[in-house]
Amino acid sequence: DAGVIQSPRHEVTEMGQEVTLRCKPISGHDYLFWYRQTMMRGLELLIYFNNNVPIDDSGMPEDRFSAKMPNASFSTLKIQPSEPRDSAVYFCASSFGLMNTEAFFGQGTRLTVV
Amino acid sequence: AQSVTQLDSQVPVFEEAPVELRCNYSSSVSVYLFWYVQYPNQGLQLLLKYLSGSTLVKGINGFEAEFNKSQTSFHLRKPSVHISDTAEYFCAVSEPSTLTFGKGTMLLVSP
Repeated sequence: DAGVIQSPRHEVTEMGQEVTLRCKPISGHDYLFWYRQTMMRGLELLIYFNNNVPIDDSGMPEDRFSAKMPNASFSTLKIQPSEPRDSAVYFCASSFGLMNTEAFFGQGTRLTVV
Repeated sequence: AQSVTQLDSQVPVFEEAPVELRCNYSSSVSVYLFWYVQYPNQGLQLLLKYLSGSTLVKGINGFEAEFNKSQTSFHLRKPSVHISDTAEYFCAVSEPSTLTFGKGTMLLVSP
């Protein structure tokens, strides 16, 4: 397996534009996580899915953020409209099980909103 | 809800010196503990994990960590670091329904 695949690796957009980040988890994994990493706040969990169903979205900062997982092999994180404070590295991770297993991370999408 | 505290945001050391990166957590239930490493411009990779059994856990690249239940700590150690160990290290705690990361410790190894 190629691991968790995220696209794009880098995204630069203007304030107010819609941004869509994509993630392909490892085949067979039943959990998928979206994290945001910034210098100020470190690594924050935004939302996670189990078997394509959103379980906890309490970390989603506001209504401008939405995430979907239409099937076991694909998830999106959308920001609409984007703002400069959304600039961060967004990571997707997947795992088989939740508590005692390793989470495998993608290489991240570096988002810059100007 | 649990929290994870990594007291040091940055730890500078010289090559071949020993290092300890500190991690404390708070939780009201039994937890599983992890250390992840993040090299520049990459995602996180698992270094080691404590699930049960021996409190001393050995991981990749010569790292080890010790689980101390009474002190609610899970400090990461390496007896002799290399330049290539320069990276950010994250402690993480897993309990039912969530996985929480600390804010990370940047290990800077210089010659």
